[in-house]
Amino acid sequence: AQKVTQAQTEISVVEKEDVTLDCVYETRDTTYYLFWYKQPPSGELVFLIRRNSFDEQNEISGRYSWNFQKSTSSFNFTITASQVVDSAVYFCALSDTTDSWGKLQFGAGTQVVVTP
Amino acid sequence: GAVVSQHPSWVICKSGTSVKIECRSLDFQATTMFWYRQFPKQSLMLMATSNEGSKATYEQGVEKDKFLINHASLTLSTLTVTSAHPEDSSFYICSASTSGRNEQFFGPGTRLTVL
Repeated sequence: AQKVTQAQTEISVVEKEDVTLDCVYETRDTTYYLFWYKQPPSGELVFLIRRNSFDEQNEISGRYSWNFQKSTSSFNFTITASQVVDSAVYFCALSDTTDSWGKLQFGAGTQVVVTP
Repeated sequence: GAVVSQHPSWVICKSGTSVKIECRSLDFQATTMFWYRQFPKQSLMLMATSNEGSKATYEQGVEKDKFLINHASLTLSTLTVTSAHPEDSSFYICSASTSGRNEQFFGPGTRLTVL
């Protein structure tokens, strides 16, 4: 069963528009971690954020913000005032205690295309 | 800190040959290393988890005799694709973590093309 769902396959925006990426997860654990990674065309994964299940505070880092809502099992990611350099594939991932601690389960990814 | 390197960054080989990919943690001791495979326009799929000094644990559907993983030290893990075929062409990514930290540090990936 898929544990991390990123329903949006691709999102295209014009520069300076905001873009929100959805992530819905599924776990029976009370302790778990959620992540977002960026994968630019070069292929290297860039770590963006890690959030544990006990911290529901929303977070802002520059133009990036994250909205964690346990009630809806969602961990959405917003890029404000998008730029061409934001064009990449973004992955949401979950780590819980299933099988072994530390194992990451990735969503399918969302391709973000920002045009000038 | 927490830098992971992979070598080579890309490799092209003939069908039937074996290819070895190295994954190194440069500034920390990696008790656990993970190997992922990513086909074009797809997500990362975990192939196996290896702990230093013990046999790797393979995910369902991954042939352990074809994808040999060795994690002989706390800073090095290797993935050998034996008798590679064109369908093994993919982007292979390793990650490393250290005991007690629920965080993986990813290498830059190795692009394998089998002709």
